[in-house]
Amino acid sequence: AQSVSQHNHHVILSEAASLELGCNYSYGGTVNLFWYVQYPGQHLQLLLKYFSGDPLVKGIKGFEAEFIKSKFSFNLRKPSVQWSDTAEYFCAVNRDSNYQLIWGAGTKLIIKP
Amino acid sequence: GAGVSQTPSNKVTEKGKYVELRCDPISGHTALYWYRQSLGQGPEFLIYFQGTGAADDSGLPNDRFFAVRPEGSVSTLKIQRTERGDSAVYLCASSLGTSGRGEQFFGPGTRLTVL
Repeated sequence: AQSVSQHNHHVILSEAASLELGCNYSYGGTVNLFWYVQYPGQHLQLLLKYFSGDPLVKGIKGFEAEFIKSKFSFNLRKPSVQWSDTAEYFCAVNRDSNYQLIWGAGTKLIIKP
Repeated sequence: GAGVSQTPSNKVTEKGKYVELRCDPISGHTALYWYRQSLGQGPEFLIYFQGTGAADDSGLPNDRFFAVRPEGSVSTLKIQRTERGDSAVYLCASSLGTSGRGEQFFGPGTRLTVL
């Protein structure tokens, strides 16, 4: 069965530290990849997405992610985090022909001021 | 414009009761999705509508769960004979529905607690 793995369930960083959150998926063939974020008390919102082309994609708020097909990975990065990045981050996958998103368990990120 | 809205925001019910959860998608979005999120987990797909019809209901856990979207906009998720294991946050999302690449816009969710 298709699945998405996020390796770290909790991450604590200080402001200005660099961030990398791991995401691996088990899905053969062509996939669409997404990172969603849920800030405290808010609903899920899209950070960035990858369909095709340049494997390095940039999203909102300075986030970026790199698709590495050979590793079935789509890791999220940010060079310098801010306290306002405290949130839960979810990786998700689907196909063009199958709209349902398959989700990872999420990573709770806490940024210490 | 208005985003996806869900009512109620919280629902507490007793085991065995019937509940209905409502989702009002973004105007013009033909695709509508229901997901369920249990504590400490990512969302889990339940059902997807394209217009009025359920295009994929493979995620519904059993026949106690049913969803409708009679006019192609508002959707209702119905759970019969609720069980404690049904306790979760039920999320609704909508998208333009032209492909799987479309961004899904999420509502705030309904937190269902079955006592």
